[in-house]
Amino acid sequence: QMQLQESGPGLVKPSETLSLTCIVSGGSISSYYWSWIRQPPGKGLEWIGYMFYSGSINYNPSLKGRVTVSVDTSKNLFSLKMNSVTAADTAVYYCARDSGSRGNWYFGLWGRGTLVTVSS
Amino acid sequence: QSVLTQPPSASGTPGQRVTISCSGSSSNIGSNSVSWYQHLPGTAPTLLIYSNNQRPSGVPDRFSGSKSGTSASLAISGLQSEDEADYYCATWDDSLKGVFGGGTKLTVL
Repeated sequence: QMQLQESGPGLVKPSETLSLTCIVSGGSISSYYWSWIRQPPGKGLEWIGYMFYSGSINYNPSLKGRVTVSVDTSKNLFSLKMNSVTAADTAVYYCARDSGSRGNWYFGLWGRGTLVTVSS
Repeated sequence: QSVLTQPPSASGTPGQRVTISCSGSSSNIGSNSVSWYQHLPGTAPTLLIYSNNQRPSGVPDRFSGSKSGTSASLAISGLQSEDEADYYCATWDDSLKGVFGGGTKLTVL
C-alpha cells in the first residue's frame, strides 16, 4: 500500500527558504505525477505545483518565481522549496499523488501534512 | 477567495440526504472534470469522487457526484455521524492551474 510522508522544519524565518520533502513508500515515484498543496490556518486548499520524474513541471502562477519542485528517483522522494517566505506562507503543506491528467485532475493519495510556521 | 464557490457549512440528521454544491466557470468546471475530497482535521484528505461521478474502490455508494454546466454537486445519502468532516471540490482551470473550493463543513446533528 503506497504511503506518503512529508517532512521538514516546522518553523522558518521570514525571507528565508522553506524546504520540504515527501517520501513515497510502497511504490515507485516514477510511475505517477506528484503535487504539493497547502492549507493556511482557517482557509481552503491551494495547489502549489506538480511534477513528473522525467522533468514535466507546472507551478501555480500565483507562486511562480518563488517555488521549485524536484524529484529524487534514487531515494523515491520529491521536494518543495519556496523562497522569500512571509507569514502568509504559514500553512499545512501536503504532498499528494496527482492523476497526471489536467482534464481529469484529482489526487488519489495524500500525505497527512506538515505544519510550517513562518515567524521570527 | 477561492476560485470555486462552496457553501461554508451544511448539516443534516442521521439517515438524511445532504448535497454540497460547487460553482465555477467555463474555464474550470465547464471544461474539466471535478473531484471531491473528505478531510478530517489532522488527517490526510481522502478522494471521494473523481471524473465528476466516479467512486474509488472503498468509498461507500452513499457518496455520489454530479456535474452540470459550470456547477457540480456532492450528495451524501444515509448520513452517518462519521461523515462529519470538511469537504472540498477541485478541478483544473484552463489558466494552467489547479483550483479548489473553499470547503464545506458538514455537521451531523
